[in-house]
Amino acid sequence: GNSVTQMEGPVTLSEEAFLTINCTYTATGYPSLFWYVQYPGEGLQLLLKATKADDKGSNKGFEATYRKETTSFHLEKGSVQVSDSAVYFCALIGSSNTGKLIFGQGTTLQVKP
Amino acid sequence: EPEVTQTPSHQVTQMGQEVILRCVPISNHLYFYWYRQILGQKVEFLVSFYNNEISEKSEIFDDQFSVERPDGSNFTLKIRSTKLEDSAMYFCASSGGPGYGYTFGSGTRLTVV
Repeated sequence: GNSVTQMEGPVTLSEEAFLTINCTYTATGYPSLFWYVQYPGEGLQLLLKATKADDKGSNKGFEATYRKETTSFHLEKGSVQVSDSAVYFCALIGSSNTGKLIFGQGTTLQVKP
Repeated sequence: EPEVTQTPSHQVTQMGQEVILRCVPISNHLYFYWYRQILGQKVEFLVSFYNNEISEKSEIFDDQFSVERPDGSNFTLKIRSTKLEDSAMYFCASSGGPGYGYTFGSGTRLTVV
């Protein structure tokens, strides 16, 4: 079945450091790929998405490129801020008609001043 | 920006009691979902709902669970006889269609004692 695997956390960085959170997926067909962010005590917010191979999603300085050849959708940001501290979830919607989102296990990012 | 609204934000219930979690999806969305997140764990799909019926459900969504869209605006999740292991954050989401990003509500934290 479809699945998403993310790098283990927590990831601890200093402010202005470069961020990469790895995400790989297993899916049949051509899934849509997403990154969601969960700030402390809050719900899930869509950060960015990509719906086909080689698409790049971007938002708030974050980027991720849909790489079909490596089945990856790694999240990157050039310079993180303390306010980026949150849990980041990679997710996919497969080819089914129901639009079910399948999440990775989440990666906690802690940014220190 | 349109929101998905969930009530209550926190509910404490005794084991064996029935609970109803309420959600108001975005008005022009057609696909509705419930997910749950046990503390510190990944977000898990429970059920999807389209055209007034369940379109897909997970193995978690057993006979103790039901969903309903009683009046064209609310979308409810009922747990008939709660168990300790039902303690989790429950997220409602709605979408304009498969392949689109969802909008999640801020969640209901259910605590079963």
